Amino acid sequence: RKEVEQDPGPFNVPEGATVAFNCTYSNSASQSFFWYRQDCRKEPKLLMSVYSSGNEDGRFTAQLNRASQYISLLIRDSKLSDSATYLCVVNILPSGSARQLTFGSGTQLTVLP
Amino acid sequence: DVKVTQSSRYLVKRTGEKVFLECVQDMDHENMFWYRQDPGLGLRLIYFSYDVKMKEKGDIPEGYSVSREKKERFSLILESASTNQTSMYLCASSSSGNTIYFGEGSWLTVV
Repeated sequence: RKEVEQDPGPFNVPEGATVAFNCTYSNSASQSFFWYRQDCRKEPKLLMSVYSSGNEDGRFTAQLNRASQYISLLIRDSKLSDSATYLCVVNILPSGSARQLTFGSGTQLTVLP
Repeated sequence: DVKVTQSSRYLVKRTGEKVFLECVQDMDHENMFWYRQDPGLGLRLIYFSYDVKMKEKGDIPEGYSVSREKKERFSLILESASTNQTSMYLCASSSSGNTIYFGEGSWLTVV
């Protein structure tokens, strides 16, 4: 079993739709969680951290479910510019070391006009 | 603004050649990383360095070596390139926090 698993998609949604991605992780000791965004043939960039209580950044909402060991990303009112691959990232250590970051394979999103 | 620069963006090398991939960061970060990214496999850590001249193996170090002689520079070396090393290579750096910053990537094709 992979340490971090994501549905690879692709998710094809119309503009304005709401779309959600899940990511499961296998190590119950995981401490910190992130979503990165990667455009085609570009480098990954941090989209948002995921906090225990859930957090929101504009149209993006991230949630963590420790009991079931998954994190989610919800995108409301999808824009064409949201088309990208979304990477789930998990760290078994608290803040202080990026060494133990584990990346999912990514979920591909295409927002259609 | 954060900057991680990979000088070689696209390379084509022959099997058996020695390949150097250079990475420079301008943020005075302690940690630097080399990943490779392949379809369906995600990012896999090759090596990382937490200080000058210090290095640790990642998950897939075989066939690679690294060098960090200066804080801002981290080099990945393929001693004898093979076709299964055809991939996108991403350099990254971070400070004590978790956020890592990636370079734009180096696309290596070994023929």
